Amino acid sequence: GAGVSQSPSNKVTEKGKDVELRCDPISGHTALYWYRQSLGQGLEFLIYFQGNSAPDKSGLPSDRFSAERTGGSVSTLTIQRTQQEDSAVYLCASSSSALYGYTFGSGTRLTVV
Amino acid sequence: GENVEQHPSTLSVQEGDSAVIKCTYSDSASNYFPWYKQELGKRPQLIIDIRSNVGEKKDQRIAVTLNKTAKHFSLHITETQPEDSAVYFCAAIYSGGYQKVTFGIGTKLQVIP
Repeated sequence: GAGVSQSPSNKVTEKGKDVELRCDPISGHTALYWYRQSLGQGLEFLIYFQGNSAPDKSGLPSDRFSAERTGGSVSTLTIQRTQQEDSAVYLCASSSSALYGYTFGSGTRLTVV
Repeated sequence: GENVEQHPSTLSVQEGDSAVIKCTYSDSASNYFPWYKQELGKRPQLIIDIRSNVGEKKDQRIAVTLNKTAKHFSLHITETQPEDSAVYFCAAIYSGGYQKVTFGIGTKLQVIP
C-alpha cells in the first residue's frame, strides 16, 4: 500500500479483555516497529521485527504483551488481560532501511475502561 | 545501548523568531539522525535527516547540524510560523546489523502569533 495502515483506529475495551492491534506496513519494507505513546508523552519502543523474526522484544512491558509478524508483512500486537495503564496510542512504523528513516501509521488509540 | 537526550522539553517562540532543539547521543556507532514532527493527534512524520558523513543539511526553513566528535545534533527552524507548532522528536540510529532506533523524549514547540 501507499502507507502504513493500522487497524482499528480506535478501540475501547473493558479491563481484563484481550485486544489485537494490526499493522500493515508499506509493501517491501522489511523492518517493522511498534511504539506506544501515552498522552503527551514520548515514543516508547515496544518491539522490532526484521522480516518475521523479532531481534528485539526488550520494550514489551510485560508478558501480557506479544507480537507476531507473518509473511514478512502484517504484524499483530496482542495485549492480554488489558489494564487501564495500557491505554495509549499504539504506533507502528516500517522501513526498507534504517538509512531512509521510517514511516509511521496513524496509530490505534486504545482505551481500557 | 544507545541513549538519546533531547532538550528543551518545551519551547515557546514568537512567530518569525528561530527555534533550536538539541539532542545528544551516546553510541558513537550511530550513523543516521532523523527528525520527526508530530502535530496534535497525528502520526510522527519525517521532516529532515542527516547522515554521519555530513555536518549540516538544509531544507528551506529547516536545518540540521551534526557534531560527531561531541555526539550531538540540532534542529534549527528559522522564521517560525504557527504551523510549526508541534512536538519534534530526534532519533539516533545505527544502520549496521540490527537497526536499533532510539528516540529522544520530544520537544513541544509553540509558535506564538
